[in-house]
Amino acid sequence: ETGVTQSPTHLIKTRGQQVTLRCSSQSGHNTVSWYQQALGQGPQFIFQYYREEENGRGNFPPRFSGLQFPNYSSELNVNALELDDSALYLCASSSYGLSYNEQFFGPGTRLTVL
Amino acid sequence: EDQVTQSPEALRLQEGESSSLNCSYTVSGLRGLFWYRQDPGKGPEFLFTLYSAGEEKEKERLKATLTKKESFLHITAPKPEDSATYLCAVRLTDSWGKLQFGAGTQVVVTP
Repeated sequence: ETGVTQSPTHLIKTRGQQVTLRCSSQSGHNTVSWYQQALGQGPQFIFQYYREEENGRGNFPPRFSGLQFPNYSSELNVNALELDDSALYLCASSSYGLSYNEQFFGPGTRLTVL
Repeated sequence: EDQVTQSPEALRLQEGESSSLNCSYTVSGLRGLFWYRQDPGKGPEFLFTLYSAGEEKEKERLKATLTKKESFLHITAPKPEDSATYLCAVRLTDSWGKLQFGAGTQVVVTP
């Protein structure tokens, strides 16, 4: 069974640039959630994708957007990067329809905005 | 406002010294409480899901329990490899995808 994978591992961008992060879900899972984790904090929910549509969103501005593809992989796009966007970005996959939605996380992408 | 609070923020244990971590929550409707382990710079690793008050789950040296207002993660006779940050998260009845996390408890176990 293949676990959740993310790419790239690390990324350095400058303020105002745009970034795309990628996630492949665990085999058998059809739902992907994205989280932002600042240093010393717990992960904060950004949004979730199911059937290629956004299915729930946290308190993040529209410059955070995403996509899900037919193979259930997903992208997180962030436009007009700000210094505060520096964080570990986590992708989690799960199976929609299971009552308690246990989510399994990937290793994360460390984004640094200079 | 829905809140998840973990205590203590940090815990330093001697190898073999058992202890408990606390996760208290004030939420409008709970549909699952989750425990994760996170090593530095890595993604959280799923440990347990608890569904209802009174439930207990065990895995090796870890045991998680749930009441109506809080959950405990008991670490029995810890080893240095148990050193990690332990995160708890809740899923609310009105929010399918969102897990709301606490800030975590950083545990260091020394030989």
